[in-house]
Amino acid sequence: ETGVTQTPRHLVMGMTNKKSLKCEQHLGHNAMYWYKQSAKKPLELMFVYNFKEQTENNSVPSRFSPECPNSSHLFLHLHTLQPEDSALYLCASSQETRDSRHEQYFGPGTRLTVT
Amino acid sequence: SQQGEEDPQALSIQEGENATMNCSYKTSINNLQWYRQNSGRGLVHLILIRSNEREKHSGRLRVTLDTSKKSSSLLITASRAADTASYFCATANQGGKLIFGQGTELSVKP
Repeated sequence: ETGVTQTPRHLVMGMTNKKSLKCEQHLGHNAMYWYKQSAKKPLELMFVYNFKEQTENNSVPSRFSPECPNSSHLFLHLHTLQPEDSALYLCASSQETRDSRHEQYFGPGTRLTVT
Repeated sequence: SQQGEEDPQALSIQEGENATMNCSYKTSINNLQWYRQNSGRGLVHLILIRSNEREKHSGRLRVTLDTSKKSSSLLITASRAADTASYFCATANQGGKLIFGQGTELSVKP
């Protein structure tokens, strides 16, 4: 148990659906991250939030929309996804982003399947 | 762009043996981190080594860093079946960005 929870753990959605992934951290951290992990590919950083402000958008398509209402919660809103968006979506948190001196704590991930 | 590249991509050993995984990277770094992932689960942080450190130990783990060769190695001694997992190196620059390699799949047979 890393102190980072993600819901749902599994999600199957059609290409016209709208859904949201939720992440919550109980570690008192100030930075939160979304990653995408596809089969046979390195982990891809999608978004970074530091003290609720988005500091990184790694050229992610607009069909993925992040939201960070406070330092403990992070959402990823999904709409009109494509089958190639099927992947494991991982949330992580760290104390803050300055100098990357801190390790990241990961949630268990949401396995997303787009049909 | 991909920064860390692990070698080998897959490693199969017997319980009790040592496992060595290597990571190479391209640009200058602030620190290098190793993570472990059990199948379909989140990553777990194992160890962080800063750019001015050469070696670090944590239990059965030993990490080395050679910044002149832009490479790092992770050694797991006296491996156990429970060590079966994927192991990733991640390089960190300023600004909170970790760049992960593709990982090494380690299988430890009892």
